Amino acid sequence: GAGVSQSPSNKVTEKGKDVELRCDPISGHTALYWYRQRLGQGLEFLIYFQGNSAPDKSGLPSDRFSAERTGESVSTLTIQRTQQEDSAVYLCASSYTAGGPAFFGQGTRLTVV
Amino acid sequence: DAKTTQPTSMDCAEGRAANLPCNHSTISGNEYVYWYRQIHSQGPQYIIHGLKNNETNEMASLIITEDRKSSTLILPHATLRDTAVYYCIVRVVDDYKLSFGAGTTVTVRA
Repeated sequence: GAGVSQSPSNKVTEKGKDVELRCDPISGHTALYWYRQRLGQGLEFLIYFQGNSAPDKSGLPSDRFSAERTGESVSTLTIQRTQQEDSAVYLCASSYTAGGPAFFGQGTRLTVV
Repeated sequence: DAKTTQPTSMDCAEGRAANLPCNHSTISGNEYVYWYRQIHSQGPQYIIHGLKNNETNEMASLIITEDRKSSTLILPHATLRDTAVYYCIVRVVDDYKLSFGAGTTVTVRA
């Protein structure tokens, strides 16, 4: 596709369950970001991938959060033992180079009940 | 990274130019000015960026003062679809870090 694709668009899960969110970046984009946006709040940086370099995981809020990316393709963000405070929109972005404009997907709205 | 200061909110008239200010008085010579916007319930959308020269694309114009301490994003003919939160971001050249502040909530009124 032409843009960043995220799936699912909406996810409702029970507290304590694990969830996996998927991001398909723009083809050829080496850099990939995950952000979180709670209702009415700003964007919080979670993690950054650049090619085969070690990712910047400094924004992950706890060890329940992890993310993987294989090469320059799909990334998955996994949240284990979900809590109600994990409810948010999770946004993925990709860019052609590290310092280039980042293009965002439409996000996955996660609701933990 | 240098911080930015933007008005919390502003109203604009449909069909008129919308001028969105941003102060970045501590900007360094190796930092770009980036603009994004976020329409309700959507992901942020890249608008434009510049280093020191004015820039224009199909969406907007970016005017950066000569001392680079402030800039203005201009939407030439605002429409109701331009209602969004607009973020002014200062970003180091070739650095991946992209930090969003609170932005300006722009409401375009008919």
